Amino acid sequence: QSVLTQPPSVSGVPGQRVTISCTGNSSNIGAGYDVHWSQQLPGTAPKLLIYGNTNRPSGVPVRFSGSKSGTSASLAITGLQAEDESDYYCQSYDSGLSAYVFGTGTKVSVL
Amino acid sequence: DVQLVGSGGGLVQPGGSLRLSCAASGFTFSDYEMNWVRQAPGKGLEWISNISTTGSTAYHVESVKGRFTISRDNAKSSVYLQMNSLRAEDTAFYYCARVSRYCSGGTCTPYFDYWGQGTLVTVSS
Repeated sequence: QSVLTQPPSVSGVPGQRVTISCTGNSSNIGAGYDVHWSQQLPGTAPKLLIYGNTNRPSGVPVRFSGSKSGTSASLAITGLQAEDESDYYCQSYDSGLSAYVFGTGTKVSVL
Repeated sequence: DVQLVGSGGGLVQPGGSLRLSCAASGFTFSDYEMNWVRQAPGKGLEWISNISTTGSTAYHVESVKGRFTISRDNAKSSVYLQMNSLRAEDTAFYYCARVSRYCSGGTCTPYFDYWGQGTLVTVSS
C-alpha cells in the first residue's frame, strides 16, 4: 500500500556511514514534492528527523543528513551510533492520489 | 512545548464504533491542520485523515471513506476521529499529528512535525 519504496533493512558498525533510499514516481517526488524523514524508536511514536529534503529540526544531530534527486531521496547517517538503531520512514505528497504518502520503512541495525 | 495527547482507544467488536480524541497544547491550535496516521502492529505508517484549520475541509484515505470522520474543536484545542463499522483490518495504533508545510520552487509539501503518543485500537470478537 506504501507508494514510496525503501530497503527493508540496513546495518552497520558504530562509526560507519549508512544510507537509506526512498524511491517514488512522477506523481510524488518526481512531481516536485519534497521529502521528509521520521525516526521511530522501538515502542514510541515517530519523530521528525529531516524536513524539506535537507533540513534538520532543532535538536537533531548533524550526523543525520538528507538529499533528493529526480524521483528519489536519501537519508544518510554519518558516524553511526548505537542509539540510531530504529525504524526510519520517508514521507511526501502524491498529487495523483491526493494523499500524504509514506515509505515502506527501513530498520537500521547497529552491529 | 508542543504536546499532543491521544486517547479513546480500546477493544471493540467488528462492526462497532469508537471515538478517538487528541488534546493539543503548547501552540495556537487553530493555526494548524491536523491529521490522523495509523500503524498496524509490526507494519508501516498509513495516513488516514486530514482536517483544515477551521474544520471546513476534511480528507480521508479511500479505505476509511464513509466509515471514519475527522473533526476538530478549536475552542478545546482538540481533534477527533469517529470510527464506525470497524473491521479487523482497522486494528492499529492511531497517532494524531500536526501538519506544517515546506515550500520551495513554487511547490509546498506538507509534513508531520509533531506526533501524539498513539492509542491502540483492537477490532476483534
